[in-house]
Amino acid sequence: DTEVTQTPKHLVMGMTNKKSLKCEQHMGHRAMYWYKQKAKKPPELMFVYSYEKLSINESVPSRFSPECPNSSLLNLHLHALQPEDSALYLCASSHPPWGLANYGYTFGSGTRLTVV
Amino acid sequence: KQEVTQIPAALSVPEGENLVLNCSFTDSAIYNLQWFRQDPGKGLTSLLLIQSSQREQTSGRLNASLDKSSGRSTLYIAASQPGDSATYLCAATGYSTLTFGKGTMLLVSP
Repeated sequence: DTEVTQTPKHLVMGMTNKKSLKCEQHMGHRAMYWYKQKAKKPPELMFVYSYEKLSINESVPSRFSPECPNSSLLNLHLHALQPEDSALYLCASSHPPWGLANYGYTFGSGTRLTVV
Repeated sequence: KQEVTQIPAALSVPEGENLVLNCSFTDSAIYNLQWFRQDPGKGLTSLLLIQSSQREQTSGRLNASLDKSSGRSTLYIAASQPGDSATYLCAATGYSTLTFGKGTMLLVSP
């Protein structure tokens, strides 16, 4: 299995809702990432998990809460979002880049989030 | 801090042309450089990965080169097709993160 699977593909939520994005990989990668991408912009890093521990938080607002329950799963919990949070949310995985084995990043197809 | 620049920002060519996309990076201390393709509203598809010790990689009609000393990479697309129309992103892998360029939007017309 060489894929990163993200669910749902599309999500519309109100500003008072609580929702979660899910990401799953079975490639044995021990680093997982959340990126946010606005239209016509490159992806922006939000969070990095390494060996199931949060290693990087790029000053993301607390209304985004990541969770890594095990080495294959990564969740992003959403609460009280703003319309400007509407974007494509991408999950990625890799062997830790600083390790001996580095075969690049694998990205999922993303969740298109619309906040109304 | 690593900065990645891609030139041109947009490119429109007729079908069949060979073309070159350029990527430059400021910090040569990279683990590898990866080229991605992104179709509108979709995720990123990895095209080629060049390790820091390598000079080039080839896959089908695609060839990517890497010159770490000058901080440059190029993606060569041979005999372009309308299906190649997409945004192409290069990304440099540092110690713990991936730094993206802003991409080149390619349109290949029939």
